[in-house]
Amino acid sequence: QKEVEQDPGPLSVPEGAIVSLNCTYSNSAFQYFMWYRQYSRKGPELLMYTYSSGNKEDGRFTAQVDKSSKYISLFIRDSQPSDSATYLCAMSAPGSARQLTFGSGTQLTVLP
Amino acid sequence: KAGVTQTPRYLIKTRGQQVTLSCSPISGHRSVSWYQQTPGQGLQFLFEYFSETQRNKGNFPGRFSGRQFSNSRSEMNVSTLELGDSALYLCASSLASWDEQFFGPGTRLTVL
Repeated sequence: QKEVEQDPGPLSVPEGAIVSLNCTYSNSAFQYFMWYRQYSRKGPELLMYTYSSGNKEDGRFTAQVDKSSKYISLFIRDSQPSDSATYLCAMSAPGSARQLTFGSGTQLTVLP
Repeated sequence: KAGVTQTPRYLIKTRGQQVTLSCSPISGHRSVSWYQQTPGQGLQFLFEYFSETQRNKGNFPGRFSGRQFSNSRSEMNVSTLELGDSALYLCASSLASWDEQFFGPGTRLTVL
């Protein structure tokens, strides 16, 4: 069993929809939680970063972390065709903060 | 400012050969991490270098090695290439303390 599980999709939604992306994890040492977006043939780019539990909002994006359930989510409001990409959750533990463990990625397509 | 650059962008090798990939971090960044991305295993951490010292290492065989120079540029080397080493190799850099990792576009290695 992988330390981080993520539904690979693919996920297809109409423009303007609310998108929910989720990951579960098993390592209770994880304290840093991130969401990356990766366009085809590009490197991942950081969307959201959360330390420990709680919510964080940035524009149309909201990240939630529930450490008691070992579950993290990313919500995208008013989705746009430009949001079409692969979304990767990633996490790390104190002492090895830059050693990220990634989910397998969810491929999202937003249809105009 | 200039982003993370990786050279070459594409590489074709045959089994048994060795390969060296290069990464130039963002100016001022002292930490460089390497990741392997494959369709089957996703993104996996290889190793991290900070101030020319390896700080963390992922679960990869000894055929995978790296180094970092005094100007923070980093190289990774894979010896005795296997077909399964075909992947996108990503480099990411960050500032000295815990901070966002910025990924480069990757080097796509194909082993024939």
